[in-house]
This record gives sequence, C-alpha cells and structure tokens, in this order.
Amino acid sequence: EVQLVETGGGLVQPGGSLRLSCAASGFTFSNYNMNWVRQAPGKGLEWVSYISSSSSTIHYTDSVKGRFTISRDNAQNSLFLQMNSLRDEDTAVYYCCQGGSCDTWGQGTLVTVSS
Amino acid sequence: QSVLTQPPSASGTPGQRVTISCSGSSSNIGSNYVYWYQQLPGTAPKLLIYRDNERPSGVPDRFSGSKSGTSASLAISGLRSDDEADYYCAAWDDSLSGRFVFGTGTKVTV
Repeated sequence: EVQLVETGGGLVQPGGSLRLSCAASGFTFSNYNMNWVRQAPGKGLEWVSYISSSSSTIHYTDSVKGRFTISRDNAQNSLFLQMNSLRDEDTAVYYCCQGGSCDTWGQGTLVTVSS
Repeated sequence: QSVLTQPPSASGTPGQRVTISCSGSSSNIGSNYVYWYQQLPGTAPKLLIYRDNERPSGVPDRFSGSKSGTSASLAISGLRSDDEADYYCAAWDDSLSGRFVFGTGTKVTV
C-alpha cells in the first residue's frame, strides 16, 4: 500500500524557516516524480513545487520562488521542502503527493506563520 | 489565483446526476490532460479521474470525466450522500516554465 507521511509542520514567526519531510513507502520512490501542494484554511488547493524522479527537473509556483527549495533523497525514500523567509500567507496544510499528477496524497502537515 | 475556473457549488438529490465544469485555456486544458480530485470533509484529496477520463482502480463508474477544447467536466451519476465533498480539477500548464494548476473548487451538496 502506498503511504506518504508528512512531518515538520508547526508554528513559526514571519521571516522564519521550516523544513518539511515526506516519508514514502509501498512503492519504488526513486521511479516517481513528486509534488508539494498546500491548502490555506478554508481555501482551495494550491500547487507549490514539483521534482522529477532524478531531481533533474524542478518547478515552483511564483509566490515561493527564491524562498522554498524542494529536494529528495531516493536512498531514504524521502521528499523535503525547505521553507525560508516565511510569510503569513504561507499558512496552510502542506501535502506531498506521488506522481506528476498527484496520484496519492499524504495526510498533510499544518504550517502556521504568525507572530 | 487559480487559472482553472469551476462553479463554487453544485447540488442534487440522491440518485440524480450532477455535472461540474472546469474552464481553462490553450496552455493547460487545451494541451494537457485533466485530473479530478475529491476532498471529503477533513481529509486529504483523492485522485478521482486521470488523463481526462480514466478512473483509478476502486473509483466507482458513477464518476466520469470528459474534455472538449479548453474545458472539462466531471459527472457524478446516481448521487449518494457520501459524494458530498469538494471537487477540484487540475492540469499542467505549459506557460511560465511549467506549473500544475488547480481549479477553484466546487462544493457538492447532496
């Protein structure tokens, strides 16, 4: 069974940093592209970032470019999102999802940016 | 700021058919596959339709997807109370060096 478990969320002050992790199991992680998607409280889904299986191709939504960095460790079956210079508007549940089109999703981790 | 437009809400009675539209452009729906996701209250989204009209295993055939030009639709037939959820369309967009765009979301009430 495919399983994705996000960790690393929490409360952080504006301008601070957080590193999210996504532990993958039940499939050959190194064969799959991966994405991060977020959902602000009471709002819709917003794609954040994409990384190809070999990390050769990476994309970001405009609002996080220069602040967020996606990466992966195929040996550890893990996906990461380093978030710097956090803003109030980054407050959201962050989901990792499998595949270029999000075939399977984790349960999400809540990031709250507030002073 | 979603580039795929959906109606904010749709409703029906049990057994009815409901259709949700998703309007995009030539750089997303017009040139790439459309995906649909279901998000039940308080849960993570789940893939419902991929590649315009394919269903993952386990998704009932009451759910169907279609696409024409720069628009797509999700149809739910034989509406059930547990279909009450938020539904999102999505597609890759070829503009601005690539991005995956979601629709604005539609709340279905049964």
